[in-house]
Amino acid sequence: QVTLRESGPALVIPTQTLTLTCTFSGFSLSTSGMCVSWIRQPPGKALEWLALIDWDDYKYYSTSLKTRLTISKDTSKNQVVLTMTNMDPVDTATYYCARTPRQVAHAYYFDYWGQGTLVTVSS
Amino acid sequence: SYVLTQPPSVSVAPGKTARITCGGNNIGSKSVHWYQQKPGQAPVLVIYYDSDRPSGIPERFSGSNSGNTATLTISRVEAGDEADYYCQVWDSNSDHRGVFGGGTELTVL
Repeated sequence: QVTLRESGPALVIPTQTLTLTCTFSGFSLSTSGMCVSWIRQPPGKALEWLALIDWDDYKYYSTSLKTRLTISKDTSKNQVVLTMTNMDPVDTATYYCARTPRQVAHAYYFDYWGQGTLVTVSS
Repeated sequence: SYVLTQPPSVSVAPGKTARITCGGNNIGSKSVHWYQQKPGQAPVLVIYYDSDRPSGIPERFSGSNSGNTATLTISRVEAGDEADYYCQVWDSNSDHRGVFGGGTELTVL
């Protein structure tokens, strides 16, 4: 059974750095073809993909946010961490992590999602 | 940057067929994935690789992709299908990145 769970602060002060942790079970990030992504959704708005890390530690980032994002993994702990610097109120959103299998090159999709964690950016 | 365009809303009567489109430049050359999101819940994958269904997704959900338009079709619509639906591709032409459409709110009349 595949599960993912996001954890991190519910409230962040503007200009601070956000650190979110995705803890998962039911699969391993050391398995060839396995990846984990972060996706966010501002209240009432659409989904926005943020970052992906694969089994070989290769990383992809949103073009518009790449200067602010860092994704990393701890395979032994079954965790993926996302940091986002210089947080702003417009970054208020529910942040999801999702398992991302790579069965076909350059055709990633998100088959299992965490329940999401709401992060509010406010002073 | 690659853009996916969805209609903001689609309405359908129970028992009828709903079609939700996702437009993109030569989207037929990409693999399209679809997600269902009900209020207060995480998205759920309903179609991947244009037309494959994950286990547990009813056969009423189907997908197609050709030219500049991908389509999610929901047959014999039920009240429980009322949700937001998002299409998604992976854009590997320039920067490798995930791209979502703006979402379509499906209303069951």
